[in-house]
Amino acid sequence: QKEVEQNSGPLSVPEGAIASLNCTYSDRVSQSFFWYRQYSGKSPELIMSIYSNGDKEDGRFTAQLNKASQYVSLLIRDSQPSDSATYLCAVNRSGANSKLTFGKGITLSVRP
Amino acid sequence: DAMVIQNPRYQVTQFGKPVTLSCSQTLNHNVMYWYQQKSSQAPKLLFHYYDKDFNNEADTPDNFQSRRPNTSFCFLDIRSPGLGDAAMYLCATSRKPGLALSSYNEQFFGPGTRLTVL
Repeated sequence: QKEVEQNSGPLSVPEGAIASLNCTYSDRVSQSFFWYRQYSGKSPELIMSIYSNGDKEDGRFTAQLNKASQYVSLLIRDSQPSDSATYLCAVNRSGANSKLTFGKGITLSVRP
Repeated sequence: DAMVIQNPRYQVTQFGKPVTLSCSQTLNHNVMYWYQQKSSQAPKLLFHYYDKDFNNEADTPDNFQSRRPNTSFCFLDIRSPGLGDAAMYLCATSRKPGLALSSYNEQFFGPGTRLTVL
């Protein structure tokens, strides 16, 4: 089982729709969860961090965490063509371990 | 603005010719990371510095070395680049764990250096 798994893409949604990106992780002691956006040829950009079960909203983005199900998701409301990118899920175990484990990413395409 | 800077943005080298990539940061973060990312793949951690403590990943080839002369700068040395080392090299930084949970291990990436090996 992969440590961090993102559902297969690419994902295509029409402009204005809600895009739902999902991620599961295998290490139960994981404590910190992140979503990065990466445009083609660019570096990853941190867009959301979540540490507690439940929802965290920031503008059009909502991160959802369910530690019991080992599941973290990112919802993008009112999707825009500028949201077209690869979204990477990353997980940190805990304690002094500073390392992140990344999923392979899912490519989102927002159709005008 | 506080940021992570990488130079050069594009590097072309010849097979076997040593190359050094640099990273600097004005965030005053304790931890600095080097990642390798190939097309359509997740970033792969090569090593990281926790202050001056060097932490190598078990599967990082000996061909890759790193130096951190001070808090602000970190270098990636590729001693004998092969064709398989062509990739985007990403530097990232984070605060020391143990500080406010809200910022725990958020990693911030520089723009990357695209390495081409001829």
